[in-house]
Amino acid sequence: DTAVSQTPKYLVTQMGNDKSIKCEQNLGHDTMYWYKQDSKKFLKIMFSYNNKELIINETVPNRFSPKSPDKAHLNLHINSLELGDSAVYFCASSQDGRGSNQDYGYTFGSGTRLTVV
Amino acid sequence: GQNIDQPTEMTATEGAIVQINCTYQTSGFNGLFWYQQHAGEAPTFLSYNVLDGLEEKGRFSSFLSRSKGYSYLLLKELQMKDSASYLCAGPFSGGYNKLIFGAGTRLAVHP
Repeated sequence: DTAVSQTPKYLVTQMGNDKSIKCEQNLGHDTMYWYKQDSKKFLKIMFSYNNKELIINETVPNRFSPKSPDKAHLNLHINSLELGDSAVYFCASSQDGRGSNQDYGYTFGSGTRLTVV
Repeated sequence: GQNIDQPTEMTATEGAIVQINCTYQTSGFNGLFWYQQHAGEAPTFLSYNVLDGLEEKGRFSSFLSRSKGYSYLLLKELQMKDSASYLCAGPFSGGYNKLIFGAGTRLAVHP
């Protein structure tokens, strides 16, 4: 029944490691997103995919690489993890990335708390 | 600009009314969202305004004034479970929505 599910929920890893976070949505939405929420609780967009096509790529280090095998999945791979990468990463999806409509409100996953030690 | 400003923290008493303000300077305005986020949980959708005026949904109402770049979220009959962060967010125009979030207002409801 989960609309947007992401795994793992918690991830503790050492500096320099490579890790992946997976996200899947069963809402039939066209657009998926990755957001980062830092310690000050500020939600900032990182990437957005529409039907497997990258449409938004904010100023994120190239150690972060999203991959969308199909429109229901958007994974995030992070290379050479740094202490500053510690945050909660939220996946989200919306009906369509175009125009303005209440249906474009996002549905968020439960978040992945990444701690780099 | 893309600035969305809202107060950092607010406190209120159970049963009272609280108004959380949000001002924005987002170019290509295309509506304004309010989200609720409890500690350690995902943000959940509360309301969306694209036209001026007040939208009422039970205990929660949201107001928008496009000419003033201003919105507020009104919470009535506050309950302890309303203690959460409230996020104001707006999408850009230009073909794709891209919600830009304010830093959130942390509301603490006391007995």
